[in-house]
Parts: sequence; C-alpha cells; structure tokens
Amino acid sequence: RKEVEQDPGPFNVPEGATVAFNCTYSNSASQSFFWYRQDCRKEPKLLMSVYSSGNEDGRFTAQLNRASQYISLLIRDSKLSDSATYLCAPTDSWGKLQFGAGTQVVVTP
Amino acid sequence: EAGVVQSPRYKIIEKKQPVAFWCNPISGHNTLYWYLQNLGQGPELLIRYENEEAVDDSQLPKDRFSAERLKGVDSTLKIQPAELGDSAVYLCASSLARNNEQFFGPGTRLTVL
Repeated sequence: RKEVEQDPGPFNVPEGATVAFNCTYSNSASQSFFWYRQDCRKEPKLLMSVYSSGNEDGRFTAQLNRASQYISLLIRDSKLSDSATYLCAPTDSWGKLQFGAGTQVVVTP
Repeated sequence: EAGVVQSPRYKIIEKKQPVAFWCNPISGHNTLYWYLQNLGQGPELLIRYENEEAVDDSQLPKDRFSAERLKGVDSTLKIQPAELGDSAVYLCASSLARNNEQFFGPGTRLTVL
C-alpha cells in the first residue's frame, strides 16, 4: 500500500461548479499537511496548509480527518485557471514531505 | 523576493555521461531539499540539508548520485554515470526550517539518451 494515495482523476468540472477530492495517508504520526498545485511541466506551488480545525482560503477549503487519516480539498466556483494537478503532502516528524501522485482537475467552459 | 533558482532548466546527455544540477535557495532558508519527479508521480525526496549538513539521504542512490551544500547556501547534485532511468525532473526546494512550508524551484528536466 502506498503511503499517500490520491484518486488520479481526471475530475472534469464545469466552470462555476464545486469539486472535492480526498487524499489518504498511512503514517499516523504525520505532523503537518499541505496541498500543492502543479501545472503541466511546472514546479509544485504551495496552495495551502491544512490545519486540524480545517481552513479556508477564498474558494478553497481544506479539511483534515486524523481519525480516518485523510485530508480533503474543496474548490468552489471553479475557474478555468484551476485546471491543474493537486498534490497532497503530509509530513513526518522530520519534516519530510510525502507526496501523493496527484489528482488532476480539468475545468471546462 | 527571489524564489528558488535552479540551473540548467533542461539537460540532454548520453548514458554514462556525468551531469550536475545547481540550486540556490531562497535567502535565509536553512533547509534545502532535492527531489526527483517522474512523469505522473509526485516528487520523491533524494536528500535534505539542514544548513550544510545532509540529515536525510536515505533515498539517494549513493553509487552514482552525490550532493553537496558547501557554506550552507547553494547546492549541487551530481550523477555519474547517468543511466537511462535517471531521466526525470530534478526539483530543488527550500524552507526556513524543517516542518515549514517548502518552496520549489522550476526544476531541471534531464533526458538521458
């Protein structure tokens, strides 16, 4: 079993719609959690950190469920520019990011 | 503020040749990371530096890969000799300290022929 698992997608989302997807992790000792966004042939860019209480940044909402060991990302009012691959990355106590393979989101007009 | 700088952006070499990648982290970032990313996969950590000390190199194939971070600032990752399977994107990232957010450079896309 992979340490971090994500649905590869693609999630085809009409512009203006809401899309949500999860990421499961196996290391119960994971300390910090992040969502990164990666455009085709570009580097990963930090989208948001995921706090225990959940957090919201504009149209993006991240949640953490420690009991079930997953994090989620919800995108509201999807824009064409949201088309990308979303990588989740829990860390261990040493700060080592453990990336999933990513979930591809395609927002269509 | 300047981001993480990497060079070259692209490199094409023949197998068995050596290759080196350079990274300059964000100013003030003590922790530097080298990742490898294959197509369709997330980045995988190769080595992590705390200042000039390599504190996690368990995933670095030491028979052919080496890295250094002299003076605790910029870093070089070397492969000698390169193999066909080394074709990938090599990403450098930095953070203020471990457990802080990591910021990635644009990567070096290596093709081994």
